Amino acid sequence: LAKTTQPISMDSYEGQEVNITCSHNNIATNDYITWYQQFPSQGPRFIIQGYKTKVTNEVASLFIPADRKSSTLSLPRVSLSDTAVYYCLVGRPHTGNQFYFGTGTSLTVIP
Amino acid sequence: DSGVTQTPKHLITATGQRVTLRCSPRSGDLSVYWYQQSLDQGLQFLIQYYNGEERAKGNILERFSAQQFPDLHSELNLSSLELGDSALYFCASSTSGQGAGETQYFGPGTRLLVL
Repeated sequence: LAKTTQPISMDSYEGQEVNITCSHNNIATNDYITWYQQFPSQGPRFIIQGYKTKVTNEVASLFIPADRKSSTLSLPRVSLSDTAVYYCLVGRPHTGNQFYFGTGTSLTVIP
Repeated sequence: DSGVTQTPKHLITATGQRVTLRCSPRSGDLSVYWYQQSLDQGLQFLIQYYNGEERAKGNILERFSAQQFPDLHSELNLSSLELGDSALYFCASSTSGQGAGETQYFGPGTRLLVL
């Protein structure tokens, strides 16, 4: 099981860039790295996914170093509505471990 | 709105009882996933079905069972309920469930309270 480790919580001011790092020392060759966002009492929502190097979409960037033992989710210019829990998932196809959400990082954006 | 529907929204029952949670995936999605989220344990993967067949299993108790029907909706059955089963139960769906690179779309959840 490619267990992940994330900070339990983070605070940031509005308008700043937020970087949340996830450690996954036991990541395997076939494992993908996926990040989800969850608001209270709602289901998680997909943010971004990557395998190596850097991935960018309209809401975030994901940086993955060459050894893939960690990854960093970068949220540019956060707003109050970005206050949520962010989960890093690492896993491979056809096994239950691809859906290991862990405890996530609770991000609070301060006005 | 993710397109995944779950019923009921809320469920209150007593210990020892049995309940059934229902999930309808997004149109066209073949794979369904079930998760349990309680305050002290975070989001726990229970089980995945793909086109009617069990595909992956997580931390699902023997008292719990699930199935996916020919119309692709899924049901999660929880029996001999205990106080500790009180939680939010989420269903998610994805296009094929064939690879780790697939996005899961989550439903709004069913909140179960066992008294």
